[in-house]
Amino acid sequence: LAKTTQPISMDSYEGQEVNITCSHNNIATNDYITWYQQFPSQGPRFIIQGYKTKVTNEVASLFIPADRKSSTLSLPRVSLSDTAVYYCLVVKGNTDKLIFGTGTRLQVFP
Amino acid sequence: DTGVSQNPRHKITKRGQNVTFRCDPISEHNRLYWYRQTLGQGPEFLTYFQNEAQLEKSRLLSDRFSAERPKGSFSTLEIQRTEQGDSAMYLCASSPLGQGPNTGELFFGEGSRLTVL
Repeated sequence: LAKTTQPISMDSYEGQEVNITCSHNNIATNDYITWYQQFPSQGPRFIIQGYKTKVTNEVASLFIPADRKSSTLSLPRVSLSDTAVYYCLVVKGNTDKLIFGTGTRLQVFP
Repeated sequence: DTGVSQNPRHKITKRGQNVTFRCDPISEHNRLYWYRQTLGQGPEFLTYFQNEAQLEKSRLLSDRFSAERPKGSFSTLEIQRTEQGDSAMYLCASSPLGQGPNTGELFFGEGSRLTVL
């Protein structure tokens, strides 16, 4: 499975846009990029998944350049409730399980 | 609430005791996963079922750990002769048949926190 590298932690303030970049240099042709969010004492929650270019939903946007060696999760206008750990995962097209790294701990301040 | 349900939410036990956790997945989901998470780390895969068949087990799942899903619905994870190193959050997740991590998403429960004294 492709190894991912993402910042250990990030700080932001309410109302700002937050961009979390993830590196996955060894991504394979049939791999997908998936992001999960986890609040303290809760299980992870799926945010967004993409293969290439840009994907947007009601929660976030995911930007994937043409070489797919990195991706950026963009959270618009964060609030205190976005304080959480965000996991970037590269998921093989034929896999049946997720392998998590240590994630990025986002702290949003008032 | 029709999400993934885990019980108990918290369990404190003494070293050497056996503990059992239960997971009730979302009703139409055929796949069920168990993960373990320690403080500051991401969830670690333990095992997964498709219906009642256990299809994969991690090397992390020692002989003291056993998971079952007897009727393809709820699942149990038993830890025998607990050790302090077993203290962690045990997470269960489910997904529908035909969808997995690459085509859909895993739905996680809130976890069962185990403390071994």
